[in-house]
Amino acid sequence: DIVMTQTPLSLSVTPGQPASISCKSTQSLLHSAGKTYLYWYLQKPGQPPQLLIYEVSNRFSGVPERFSGSGSGTDFTLKISRVEAEDVGVYYCMQSIQLPRTFGQGTKVEIK
Amino acid sequence: EVQLVESGGGLVQPGGSLRLSCAASGFTFNSYWMSWVRQAPGKGLEWVANIKQDGSEKYYVDSVKGRFTVSRDNAKNSLYLQMNSLRAEDTAVYYCASDEAFDIWGQGTMVTVSS
Repeated sequence: DIVMTQTPLSLSVTPGQPASISCKSTQSLLHSAGKTYLYWYLQKPGQPPQLLIYEVSNRFSGVPERFSGSGSGTDFTLKISRVEAEDVGVYYCMQSIQLPRTFGQGTKVEIK
Repeated sequence: EVQLVESGGGLVQPGGSLRLSCAASGFTFNSYWMSWVRQAPGKGLEWVANIKQDGSEKYYVDSVKGRFTVSRDNAKNSLYLQMNSLRAEDTAVYYCASDEAFDIWGQGTMVTVSS
């Protein structure tokens, strides 16, 4: 199974400041067809997860521009350029290049 | 509106069975692989199973193989998860979601396995 490791596991951020979450996989998520199967989700308190970023760096519909994704192969990063109060929750990375689908442990983001 | 609505959760004794349902609307259900994902209380997300568009392929996480069965009825735009021989460690919120990108999620249904 592909193991997804996120760091840090928690983050306390002042509103308006940037935040960054790392996600590393134990195998490359780059498919031979050229697509990289790495996704980012935010789970707000009491809600199901919501897709933020698909295929490493593509913002999903309605996701604010302050969210960006980058990386390649086994090393990925989610960045929030200026954190807002509504960004609190737990962020997960996930791979879907292989079964079983696997998620990172989650990074809890709170506002200072 | 794109929507997934789960139902069927509840309290069940260890060794018991439960069947979860997920009703889809607002999108072309039969075009998607579909998955079940669970989240134990206070824990992270765990993928459980998925099923191909026509139901011809199904895959499971090792911990549920032989106990859970995923199925779908495209005529009813519905996804199911039959859970047998339930254990305390199966206690979780169960979400249905569109597979690969997981861009569509339901609100989840709680399953509690306890005597």
